[in-house]
Amino acid sequence: GAVVSQHPSWVICKSGTSVKIECRSLDFQATTMFWYRQFPKQSLMLMATSNEGSKATYEQGVEKDKFLINHASLTLSTLTVTSAHPEDSSFYICSARDPRLAGSGEQFFGPGTRLTVL
Amino acid sequence: AQKITQTQPGMFVQEKEAVTLDCTYDTSDPSYGLFWYKQPSSGEMIFLIYQGSYDQQNATEGRYSLNFQKARKSANLVISASQLGDSAMYFCAMREGDSGYALNFGKGTSLLVTP
Repeated sequence: GAVVSQHPSWVICKSGTSVKIECRSLDFQATTMFWYRQFPKQSLMLMATSNEGSKATYEQGVEKDKFLINHASLTLSTLTVTSAHPEDSSFYICSARDPRLAGSGEQFFGPGTRLTVL
Repeated sequence: AQKITQTQPGMFVQEKEAVTLDCTYDTSDPSYGLFWYKQPSSGEMIFLIYQGSYDQQNATEGRYSLNFQKARKSANLVISASQLGDSAMYFCAMREGDSGYALNFGKGTSLLVTP
């Protein structure tokens, strides 16, 4: 299947700093990518839909000024957690749909980024 | 309202036995897709199987099959001949509308396969 990468795989930062997470589709072009957050022992919750060349669409309750999303190319979306605080510590995972695969709309997930804010 | 419901927080199964993980969904959209993902302790989401709302037959992928009962709005995952490596979290998810939409996930079921 299609490959989605994320970088970094884990990051530890001090409270108040900003952290950028990259999501790349390696062998296909993704006009749409999705960012999810998963707290320990919980499900994945959609944060935002990242659209290439336009503004991201955020889910209710997600602060767009805190979680900046940039989808500058067809293979790269970035999520920047600005002024991170301990409550932002979570597992962030992106996904993308391969438009070459008709029908299912199967999404391919990146390996995730574990963020710990001290 | 919860769109995907997984009522089994945890399940045990003995190696080589079959196990069914339950999933019910709620949507008024006639076009939707149902997915099952496996998440081992490493965190990666592994796609297992997909069922479209218009598919007439139940989906199968190797040892995985999806028991799709449209009238009951259920999409249970059946794993046959369980293996120790099947121990993981299993998430049921739904896509509503066309394939550009994001997925709604259930809360997951933790499966432990015992020797």
